[in-house]
Amino acid sequence: GDSVTQMEGPVTLSEEAFLTINCTYTATGYPSLFWYVQYPGEGLQLLLKATKADDKGSNKGFEATYRKETTSFHLEKGSVQVSDSAVYFCALTYSGTASKLTFGTGTRLQVTL
Amino acid sequence: GAVVSQHPSWVICKSGTSVKIECRSLDFQATTMFWYRQFPKQSLMLMATSNEGSKATYEQGVEKDKFLINHASLTLSTLTVTSAHPEDSSFYICSARDRDRGDEQYFGPGTRLTVT
Repeated sequence: GDSVTQMEGPVTLSEEAFLTINCTYTATGYPSLFWYVQYPGEGLQLLLKATKADDKGSNKGFEATYRKETTSFHLEKGSVQVSDSAVYFCALTYSGTASKLTFGTGTRLQVTL
Repeated sequence: GAVVSQHPSWVICKSGTSVKIECRSLDFQATTMFWYRQFPKQSLMLMATSNEGSKATYEQGVEKDKFLINHASLTLSTLTVTSAHPEDSSFYICSARDRDRGDEQYFGPGTRLTVT
């Protein structure tokens, strides 16, 4: 079956540091890939997405490129802020009316001053 | 746009009682809604998928008689935890798909249930 693997956290960085959170997937078809962010006490928010190979999703300074050859969708940000502290989830789904999201286990990011 | 609300945001109930959680799409029609459960510091576990006007499809290992899901309209789905026990305490999150927006799911803010 399909699965998503994320690097274990927590990841602790100083403000303005470079961020990479690794995500790899196993899929039987050609899924769409997503990064969601969950701030403390809140529900998930879509951060960015990519629907086909070589697509780059970007939002709020975060980027991720859909790499079919390495089955990866790593999240990057050039300069993190304290306000980026949250849990980040990588996920995949397929097109269709009953599509279900398959989530990774989440990676907690803690950014300090 | 694409806002999903949940009510209540938190609830405390006694063992043996039932509690209902509502999930509403505020500005779009959701033909499909999903219910997830999230344990502390863990990922989301899909419990069931509900389509408007039809019975929910439950994931393996989820008791359908315990977690009753109703998707009566294009903007409302409810999850009722029946005869709640302390092990049902968790964070319950719903999401909704906008049929005009493709694959994307929009998530509610979640409901924290504590069973005493």
